[in-house]
Amino acid sequence: DQQVKQNSPSLSVQEGRISILNCDYTNSMFDYFLWYKKYPAEGPTFLISISSIKDKNEDGRFTVFLNKSAKHLSLHIVPSQPGDSAVYFCAARWGVIKAAGNKLTFGGGTRVLVKP
Amino acid sequence: DGGITQSPKYLFRKEGQNVTLSCEQNLNHDAMYWYRQDPGQGLRLIYYSQIVNDFQKGDIAEGYSVSREKKESFPLTVTSAQKNPTAFYLCASSIRSPNRDYVNNEQFFGPGTRLTVL
Repeated sequence: DQQVKQNSPSLSVQEGRISILNCDYTNSMFDYFLWYKKYPAEGPTFLISISSIKDKNEDGRFTVFLNKSAKHLSLHIVPSQPGDSAVYFCAARWGVIKAAGNKLTFGGGTRVLVKP
Repeated sequence: DGGITQSPKYLFRKEGQNVTLSCEQNLNHDAMYWYRQDPGQGLRLIYYSQIVNDFQKGDIAEGYSVSREKKESFPLTVTSAQKNPTAFYLCASSIRSPNRDYVNNEQFFGPGTRLTVL
């Protein structure tokens, strides 16, 4: 039972255009969401996050939107650059359950290719 | 400078042998995690530890074991009972409990170890 889903396994976009990555979740107990970027044979690096009390968080070219009623979040990258080509994972945390601490549940990832 | 190290980067093992993957962090984090990534798939949690001398099973703990004798170290042993051990293994660490200002709540990852069973 996948609690966090990224339904698009891949995305191709032209340099300079917008990349939109989507993520859906099923568990309403998640209170904090994160996006990670991963290059092949390396560990993921943290990109941006959003708490459930907000609906938008922006950091430079990256913006994350959260729609709690739809249990949906998205990551916008504007403008896309060739260096953004990587796999992007969304992750969710069970914040209200103390025993879970900072345990994360990850989606399956979306591979982004930015064409020059 | 602070970070997480995993060694070795590549590891080969004969079928039927146990092997231990190393993970060390100097971020002063209480919590540590082990994940496995298979080709084209996301990260699946194997084990996690929120404090020294304590750890819990994740979603796919069968065939694995861990120990947490020191805050800085969280080694993972892949035993011969693990049916499909060939994978990319990632270690991570974080603060133990979420803080309300949501600063630095993320998990920090090591570079990973690719294990291949021959």
